[in-house]
Amino acid sequence: IQMTQSPSSLSAFVGDRVTMTCRASQSISSYLSWFQQKPGKAPKLLIYAASSLQSGVSSRFSGSGSGTDFTLTISSLQLEDVATYYCQQSYSTPWTFGQGTKVEIK
Amino acid sequence: QLQLQESGPGLVKPSETLSLICSVSGDSIRRRNYNWGWIRQPPGKGLEWIGSLYYSGSTYYNPSLNNRVTISEDTSKNQVSLRVSSVTAADTAVYYCARLSQGEVPRLYYFDYWGQGTLVTVSA
Repeated sequence: IQMTQSPSSLSAFVGDRVTMTCRASQSISSYLSWFQQKPGKAPKLLIYAASSLQSGVSSRFSGSGSGTDFTLTISSLQLEDVATYYCQQSYSTPWTFGQGTKVEIK
Repeated sequence: QLQLQESGPGLVKPSETLSLICSVSGDSIRRRNYNWGWIRQPPGKGLEWIGSLYYSGSTYYNPSLNNRVTISEDTSKNQVSLRVSSVTAADTAVYYCARLSQGEVPRLYYFDYWGQGTLVTVSA
């Protein structure tokens, strides 16, 4: 299953609402996770099951969608949110990741 | 607090076998509903799932690695290991181990704890 993220990069002001999308090449129900990766660090789980917020993750992050189209939203962009964000499907093996969306501050 | 730490040679010669260990602290790797996975990331590129080891003992591997992968556990040492045989330069990457938790929905799994990763370079 191919996962396609858009945009590949975005730039926004602190406080902006930011939205990025992930599209699966076939239906994956809600078997989708979102990860945040900062340079030189391991990925961090933000969202699982498409919309469930991982414990300890800021409520600024939210996920939605099912089937083939998914969205990750940052309600109010903060400096510490600068990172690359990846989606990943666990509906069927081989599990696959999107190519990532890089978020920067204007 | 669960912690994962990858270790192993940072340099492997082409055609040899890459062997890494993931040492788990803070809990037993054999606790029910704990499963484990390996993911890698070539320098400057995206993430690739390598394979997973389930509590049941079942393993699943990415076909893109052409049957070169083995994931196993050593419960006496609380470790999970990865072996990739016949490596080439294309296997150069940061390798991560991660815990694979099971959700309430059947077959729902997600990587919730990650090690810091270890860079393995394949070069003569």
